[in-house]
Parts: sequence; C-alpha cells; structure tokens
Amino acid sequence: AQSVTQLDSQVPVFEEAPVELRCNYSSSVSVYLFWYVQYPNQGLQLLLKYLSGSTLVKGINGFEAEFNKSQTSFHLRKPSVHISDTAEYFCAVTTGTASKLTFGTGTRLQVTL
Amino acid sequence: DGGITQSPKYLFRKEGQNVTLSCEQNLNHDAMYWYRQDPGQGLRLIYYSQIVNDFQKGDIAEGYSVSREKKESFPLTVTSAQKNPTAFYLCASKPSGRANTGELFFGEGSRLTVL
Repeated sequence: AQSVTQLDSQVPVFEEAPVELRCNYSSSVSVYLFWYVQYPNQGLQLLLKYLSGSTLVKGINGFEAEFNKSQTSFHLRKPSVHISDTAEYFCAVTTGTASKLTFGTGTRLQVTL
Repeated sequence: DGGITQSPKYLFRKEGQNVTLSCEQNLNHDAMYWYRQDPGQGLRLIYYSQIVNDFQKGDIAEGYSVSREKKESFPLTVTSAQKNPTAFYLCASKPSGRANTGELFFGEGSRLTVL
C-alpha cells in the first residue's frame, strides 16, 4: 500500500520569500505524484503532476516540484511567494491510473507582508 | 463549461436525520469518488464508483451510502449511523482509458454541520 507524509502542517513565510513544502511517499512500486491547492471552502485544484520523464515538474502559478526516487520525495517549491498563495497544499500519490489516490494531511501556507 | 457540481454548498442537520449530498458531472468521466475532509486529517475516501451500477467502499464507509444509477450522478447519503458527520465533503471524478493519468477533478465541496 502507498502512503504520503507531509512533514509540515503549517508554513509561515513573508511575501516575496522562497518556500518549500515537503512531501515524502512510501510505495514498493512505481508511483505517480500530484500536488493540489485548496483555497478556503473550495475544492482542490491541480498544481502539477509527475507521471514519468523529467524529474523537475513545472506547474501553475510559478510552482515547481522535483521527484527524487532515492529519497522518495516530491517537494514543492516557489522562488517568490505572493499573498494570494495563502492556501492549503496537498501532496498525493497513486501507483497506477487504476489505483486510488492517497492524500497527505496537508500543509497550510500562510503568506504575510 | 464542463465540471463537477456539488449541492448544497452548506447544509445543517439535526442529529438523527439522514441527509443526501448531490454530485453531478458533465465531464463524461467513468469514475467518481467521495472524500471527507477534517482539519489536520487530509482527505479520506468514503466510497468510489468506477462504472454505472457499481461502487466500492473506501476507507471510512461506515454510516454512509451511495448510488450510481447514472454516469453523471453519484449522490452520497449521510445516515444517522454516522457518529461524527460534521465535515467538508468533496466529490471527484476521473476519466478512463487513455485520458486517465490518475488525476482527480474536484467539485467545490459541501459543508455539513450537525446541530
């Protein structure tokens, strides 16, 4: 079975500073990895996904993530955050397109001036 | 525009009452899912359906029921047997075949509060 660990429940950061949200996964087979963003009282929106190929994945809103198989990680980064990036971020993993998606517990990104 | 519509957005219920949350999609997706979200616990899978007239229990199915009579619709009933039903409920779908990358598409959610 697969699992996801998001190491930080909350990450406070000042506007225009860089940020990294950490995600580690556990699986005995190849994985597909996703990052979703959720604004208050809304559904989840896909930021980016890793299916295969280049380990550096670029997504919407200037976010990117790097798949590291040896460290079983898929950390999300942004070089300069904006107030509007304040939201909850979820990492998710599946072992195939027919498998269920397993979510981490989420990281609350709080951007302040 | 194609998408997933959940209704109602907010719902209040008295203890002991059943309530049904609606989920409709016009994306022509085969698979549909219900998740429950509680603060600090992420998303937990309640039920899912990969085809019409078939559905499977997820990790926390007790106290919930679903039906899948049409491809477009996957309603969730929260029964009086659910001990702690106050939560944010999310419906999702995904395509099958070559369009399936494992990505889920989400509705806007329904917030249920039991008084």
